[in-house]
Amino acid sequence: QKEVEQDPGPLSVPEGAIVSLNCTYSNSAFQYFMWYRQYSRKGPELLMYTYSSGNKEDGRFTAQVDKSSKYISLFIRDSQPSDSATYLCAMRHQAGTALIFGKGTTLSVSS
Amino acid sequence: KAGVTQTPRYLIKTRGQQVTLSCSPISGHRSVSWYQQTPGQGLQFLFEYFSETQRNKGNFPGRFSGRQFSNSRSEMNVSTLELGDSALYLCASSLRIGGGTKKDNEQFFGPGTRLTVL
Repeated sequence: QKEVEQDPGPLSVPEGAIVSLNCTYSNSAFQYFMWYRQYSRKGPELLMYTYSSGNKEDGRFTAQVDKSSKYISLFIRDSQPSDSATYLCAMRHQAGTALIFGKGTTLSVSS
Repeated sequence: KAGVTQTPRYLIKTRGQQVTLSCSPISGHRSVSWYQQTPGQGLQFLFEYFSETQRNKGNFPGRFSGRQFSNSRSEMNVSTLELGDSALYLCASSLRIGGGTKKDNEQFFGPGTRLTVL
């Protein structure tokens, strides 16, 4: 079993839809949780960052961490065609350790 | 502020050859990490360097090696190339290693080097 599991999709939604992206993990030691967005032919860029449990909101994006279920989510409200990209979850055990990525979910938002 | 640069952007090599990829981090960033990205395995961590020392290492064979120079620039080398080494190799820089803030944890990625092994 991989440490971080993420459904690769693809996920196709119409413009304006609410999108839910998820990752599960096996190691309860993970403390730092991130979501990266990767456009085609580009490197990933950090979208959301959460330490430990809880919710974090930034504009149309909300990140949730449920450590008891070992489950993290990214919600995108009012999705736009410009949100079409691959979304990667990432996490690390503690500061200074390697960042472990999920395989990424490819999202397509149609206008 | 200039971003992370990687050279070359594209490479074609044959099995058995070796290759060296280069990464220049954002000015002021002292940590450089390398990743291999493939459709099947996703983004996999290779190694991380800070102050010219390897601080973390992923589960890759010894054919994969790297180094960091005093100006924080980094290179990775793959010897005896195999077909399965075909991938996008990404470099990411961050301010430092360790620390619990978003600023400490944020990695800035370059556009990658696309390596094709024939």
